[in-house]
Amino acid sequence: EDKVVQSPLSLVVHEGDTVTLNCSYEVTNFRSLLWYKQEKKAPTFLFMLTSSGIEKKSGRLSSILDKKELSSILNITATQTGDSAIYLCAVGYYGGSQGNLIFGKGTKLSVKP
Amino acid sequence: NAGVTQTPKFRILKIGQSMTLQCTQDMNHNYMYWYRQDPGMGLKLIYYSVGAGITDKGEVPNGYNVSRSTTEDFPLRLELAAPSQTSVYFCASSPDRSNQPQHFGDGTRLSIL
Repeated sequence: EDKVVQSPLSLVVHEGDTVTLNCSYEVTNFRSLLWYKQEKKAPTFLFMLTSSGIEKKSGRLSSILDKKELSSILNITATQTGDSAIYLCAVGYYGGSQGNLIFGKGTKLSVKP
Repeated sequence: NAGVTQTPKFRILKIGQSMTLQCTQDMNHNYMYWYRQDPGMGLKLIYYSVGAGITDKGEVPNGYNVSRSTTEDFPLRLELAAPSQTSVYFCASSPDRSNQPQHFGDGTRLSIL
């Protein structure tokens, strides 16, 4: 059965800390891995990764995919209270609807002042 | 640009009642999806559609129905509501092309009492 596993499930840090969130997957016909940030409402898109070893960066957030290890990490440097959210990892696959995604349970990040 | 719009935002139903969750998008996306999110869990796909007139079941379709008469609208119907359907429901859409992220609505919080 295809699955996406995120760790840790929750994390509490202080402002200024650097955090690393993990996502591992076992998905047949892997196509892409996506990271979303979910605050109180809709998940908002952060990154899409398709190639191994190529880092994607947006401000203090960065992410990289390791297809050999079937995993990805999301790094947040110099965390701020506004980074507090649930971070969702999702894997897209070929076959069926090409848009279908399998989601992990998410990592709840709390950043304390 | 409104993106994906869901109504209502909150609803309380009695067991056995039925209702329709509305979803509309203005991005001319062919692919649309319905997910449910339970506390501490990731998003589970209920139904999806690859275009007007075409729908298919996702991972957890039991107790739900959908229709797709236009590109813009993708309503989700609950028949005979049950407490197990208490959840937050998200609608999402994506373009035709593969490797494009899904865009989410703000969700509908539904309680069945």
